[in-house]
Amino acid sequence: QKEVEQDPGPLSVPEGAIVSLNCTYSNSAFQYFMWYRQYSRKGPELLMYTYSSGNKEDGRFTAQVDKSSKYISLFIRDSQPSDSATYLCAPFNQAGTALIFGKGTTLSVSS
Amino acid sequence: NAGVTQTPKFQVLKTGQSMTLQCAQDMNHNSMYWYRQDPGMGLRLIYYSASEGTTDKGEVPNGYNVSRLNKREFSLRLESAAPSQTSVYFCASSERSTEGYTFGSGTRLTVV
Repeated sequence: QKEVEQDPGPLSVPEGAIVSLNCTYSNSAFQYFMWYRQYSRKGPELLMYTYSSGNKEDGRFTAQVDKSSKYISLFIRDSQPSDSATYLCAPFNQAGTALIFGKGTTLSVSS
Repeated sequence: NAGVTQTPKFQVLKTGQSMTLQCAQDMNHNSMYWYRQDPGMGLRLIYYSASEGTTDKGEVPNGYNVSRLNKREFSLRLESAAPSQTSVYFCASSERSTEGYTFGSGTRLTVV
């Protein structure tokens, strides 16, 4: 089993929709859960991250972690065409070496 | 602009040729990383350097070598390029992983 699994999509939604992006992971030692956003032909950029279980909100974005089921979610409210990108999850163990990324989910928001 | 600079942005190599991908950061970060990104495979770690003077292998190190020249620069060398090394290569740096990585804009390498 891969350490991080992520449905690659693509996921296509109309503008204004609520989007749910998800990852599963296998290593119970992960404590930090990061989401990166990557626009086409650009490098990834950190979108937000959470520590341990629970929710974190940042504007239209909410990151949610359920450590009991090893499940990570990113919700986007009122999605915009500018949200069209690939979203990569990256769970992390502070004692680990380097980030391991999910394969990314490609999102397309149409106006 | 502060950040991670990668050169070149594009490169075409013939099988068996060698080349070095350059990466420099101006944020005084301790750690630097090299990833490759392929369709359907996501970002895979090639090598990383936790601090100046140290380097470690990642998930896919075969066919590559690295040099942490100083705190700012971390280069990736392909000694004998193979078509399987056709990919987009990203360099990144961080002070602490929990603060996130800053990525460069990538080098698009094609080996024919």
